[in-house]
Amino acid sequence: QKEVEQNSGPLSVPEGAIASLNCTYSDRGSQSFFWYRQYSGKSPELIMSIYSNGDKEDGRFTAQLNKASQYVSLLIRDSQPSDSATYLCAARYSSASKIIFGSGTRLSIRP
Amino acid sequence: GAGVSQSPRYKVAKRGQDVALRCDPISGHVSLFWYQQALGQGPEFLTYFQNEAQLDKSGLPSDRFFAERPEGSVSTLKIQRTQQEDSAVYLCASRGLAGDQETQYFGPGTRLLVL
Repeated sequence: QKEVEQNSGPLSVPEGAIASLNCTYSDRGSQSFFWYRQYSGKSPELIMSIYSNGDKEDGRFTAQLNKASQYVSLLIRDSQPSDSATYLCAARYSSASKIIFGSGTRLSIRP
Repeated sequence: GAGVSQSPRYKVAKRGQDVALRCDPISGHVSLFWYQQALGQGPEFLTYFQNEAQLDKSGLPSDRFFAERPEGSVSTLKIQRTQQEDSAVYLCASRGLAGDQETQYFGPGTRLLVL
């Protein structure tokens, strides 16, 4: 059973709107959570990391973590066509352990 | 400075052939990870090195897969007797120790096609 679950999409959002990406994880002991962006044919790029419950904002991106519900989300405000990519959610149990990735959600921003 | 580099970028192998994939991490990065990414899937963990020590190889799918990092810098992932199901992108990532230890920097990947 996959330990990090994401809806594969595609999720289509109009330009300028808010894109909301969701992820759940199964290991309650997970401590660190990450959102990676992956353009087609390219390698993943870290865009957000979050470690404690609540919201973390960085520019147009906001990551949200709810450990009680084992739920992580990523909000992208003022979506741009350049945001069209696959977004990978990932979780890690401890700093010494591996990162577990979800299958990714494909996001398409339509002009 | 330079990022993570991988070679070759593309490899076509005949079934049964052995292949070796190379990863050059960012200079000074202690941790090195190998992942396998099938089409339409997220990266799947293969193995993890801290310096030259292979601390976790739980993700290696079979004993045909072998990884080494003998001097704690460059790493090689070797696949013996390749099978069609080995076709995937193999990603290497490195991570620093101090300051930015949470960020894994990925290389461009090696796309392996087994015919």
